[in-house]
Amino acid sequence: QVQLQESGPGLVKPSQTLSLTCTVSGGSISSGGYYWSWIRQHPGKGLEWIGYIYYSGSTYYNPSLKSRVTISVDTSKNQFSLKLSSVTAADTAVYYCARGGGVLRFLEWLPSGWFDPWGQGTLVTVSS
Amino acid sequence: QSALTQPASVSGSPGQSITISCTGTSSDVGGYNYVSWYQQHPGKAPKLMIYDVSNRPSGVSNRFSGSKSGNTASLTISGLQAEDEADYYCSSYTSSSTSVFGGGTKLTVL
Repeated sequence: QVQLQESGPGLVKPSQTLSLTCTVSGGSISSGGYYWSWIRQHPGKGLEWIGYIYYSGSTYYNPSLKSRVTISVDTSKNQFSLKLSSVTAADTAVYYCARGGGVLRFLEWLPSGWFDPWGQGTLVTVSS
Repeated sequence: QSALTQPASVSGSPGQSITISCTGTSSDVGGYNYVSWYQQHPGKAPKLMIYDVSNRPSGVSNRFSGSKSGNTASLTISGLQAEDEADYYCSSYTSSSTSVFGGGTKLTVL
C-alpha cells in the first residue's frame, strides 16, 4: 500500500526557509487522481492545512500562508516538497505529508478534501 | 478561511454512543459532500475514519458513522470502547478548492 515519509532539517533559524520532502512509496505520484498534501500541527494544537499539489503541478495553498509557501513535485523521484519562507517561532510544528483525494469534475481532477494515508510527521523547530 | 467549529471535548461511557459536531458555512461544509473525519491518538499521525460525509474506508469499524445537515456535519461513534479515546478532527473542502480543518474534539471514555 502507499506509504509516505517526511524528511528534512529538524531545526531552522528564524527568517530562513523551511524545506521538507515527502517520499512516496508503494504507488506513483504520476498515476493521477490524488492531491499530494502538507498539513501541520502546532504543539498541543489542532491540524492546519498548508496546501496540496497535483502531479501536473497545479497547486492550492492556505490563504493565510500563501505568500510564504511553495509546494513542488518531482515525479522522477516520486517526491513532493514544501518550502516555507521567512519562518518564525510560530512555524514550529509537526509537519505531515499526506495523500489527498481527488475527484473528476468538468474533465479536470480537482481536490476532494480527504487525506489518507499520512506520513508519520516530522517536528520542525524554529529557533536561533 | 476560518476553522470549522467543533466542541472542545465530549465524553461517554463504554457501550454508549456519542456524537461530535462540525459546523462550517455554505462555502465549505454546507456546499459540498466532501467532509472527512480523522482520529488521532497521542503522538501518532491522524487516521482517516470517514470521507465524503458518510463513507468508511476499508478497515474502519462500522461503529463509526458520519452525516450532514445544512452547514453542520456529525460523527457518531456507537458502542464506545476505551480504544476510541482520542482527538477527532473534521475537515471540509471549500469553494476555493482549499481545505479547512476543525479545531478538534477530545473524546474521553469514562
